[in-house]
Amino acid sequence: DIQMTQSPSSLSASVGDRVTITCRASQTINNYLNWYQQKPGKAPKLLIYAASSLQSGVPSRYSGGGSGTDYTLTISSLQPEDFATYYCQHSYGTPWTFGQGTKVEIK
Amino acid sequence: EVQLLESGGGLVQPGGSLRVSCAASGFTFSSYAMAWVRQAPGKGLEWVSSIFSGASSTFYTDSVKGRFTISRDNSKNTLDLQMNSLRAEDTALYYCAKYAGSTQPYYLDYWGQGSLVTVSS
Repeated sequence: DIQMTQSPSSLSASVGDRVTITCRASQTINNYLNWYQQKPGKAPKLLIYAASSLQSGVPSRYSGGGSGTDYTLTISSLQPEDFATYYCQHSYGTPWTFGQGTKVEIK
Repeated sequence: EVQLLESGGGLVQPGGSLRVSCAASGFTFSSYAMAWVRQAPGKGLEWVSSIFSGASSTFYTDSVKGRFTISRDNSKNTLDLQMNSLRAEDTALYYCAKYAGSTQPYYLDYWGQGSLVTVSS
């Protein structure tokens, strides 16, 4: 099974900060990497698919990058509504595992 | 508007069975793969099972193989997860989710609000 490791597990940041979250796969996943945002008590929401494609309706301050085993989610200027937990997930064969999550908190 | 509405959760004793269902609307259900993803209280997301549009291809995470069965009724636009031999570690909020397509890249573009399953004596 492919293991997904996110870093950091949590971070504190201020409104306007640039934030980058990293996701590392235990083997190459050919850019089959998705990012989801989850707010407390809510269902996850798709942000980025196929490593760098922005889902329709998602603000352009979100971007995804990377290749091979290492991927990033970047928020260019953190907004109050961005405080949430973020998960990566690979889709390179089953099981389609998620990372453990990164909680973005207000500094 | 795509809507996914889960139902059927509840409290069940260890070793018992439960069926959670998902009613889909707002899209051509028969054309899309679907999935169940769960989240234990205070924990992260865990993919559980997926089924492709023709129902001929089903996939499960190892911990539920042989105990859970995913199925769909394309005539009723419903997705089900039959859960048998339930364990305490199956306690979670079970989300129904829709894939954006049936070929790569696979990603879940719509999610329901979840159905809580609690396994406890």
